Amino acid sequence: QKEVEQDPGPLSVPEGAIVSLNCTYSNSAFQYFMWYRQYSRKGPELLMYTYSSGNKEDGRFTAQVDKSSKYISLFIRDSQPSDSATYLCAMKNGNQFYFGTGTSLTVIP
Amino acid sequence: ETGVTQSPTHLIKTRGQQVTLRCSSQSGHNTVSWYQQALGQGPQFIFQYYREEENGRGNFPPRFSGLQFPNYSSELNVNALELDDSALYLCASSPPRGLSTDTQYFGPGTRLTVL
Repeated sequence: QKEVEQDPGPLSVPEGAIVSLNCTYSNSAFQYFMWYRQYSRKGPELLMYTYSSGNKEDGRFTAQVDKSSKYISLFIRDSQPSDSATYLCAMKNGNQFYFGTGTSLTVIP
Repeated sequence: ETGVTQSPTHLIKTRGQQVTLRCSSQSGHNTVSWYQQALGQGPQFIFQYYREEENGRGNFPPRFSGLQFPNYSSELNVNALELDDSALYLCASSPPRGLSTDTQYFGPGTRLTVL
């Protein structure tokens, strides 16, 4: 079993839709949770970072962490074609980061 | 503020050769991590350098080695290249511990193709 599981998609939604991206994890020692966006042939770009259970909002993005269920989510409101990318969840334990495989998202105009 | 930069952008090598990839960390960042990202996969942790010392290593063989220099730039060296080493190699830098978000910022990557 991988330490971080993420549905690879692909996910295709119409412009303006609410997008929900999810990851599960098995290691309860993970303390920091991140979401990265990666455009084709580029490095990952940090979107959201959170430490505790609960919600964190930044503009159209909301990150949600449920440590009891070992489940994290990223919600994108009013999705735009420019949101089309691969979204990677990541978790930190000590000095190591563990990534999901990424979910490919396409927002159709 | 300059972000993380990597060179070269692309590289083609043949099996058995050796390669060196370079990374300049973001200004003020003293920790550098290297990742291998195969096509369709998430980044896999290779190792991390903090103040010129290796500070953690993932499940990669010894032919993957690295260096960090006093200015916190870093190199990734891979010996005896294999076909499966073809991937995007990402460098990420982190700010000094205890500051800000305690997370990391990625460079654009070096795409290595092994023929």
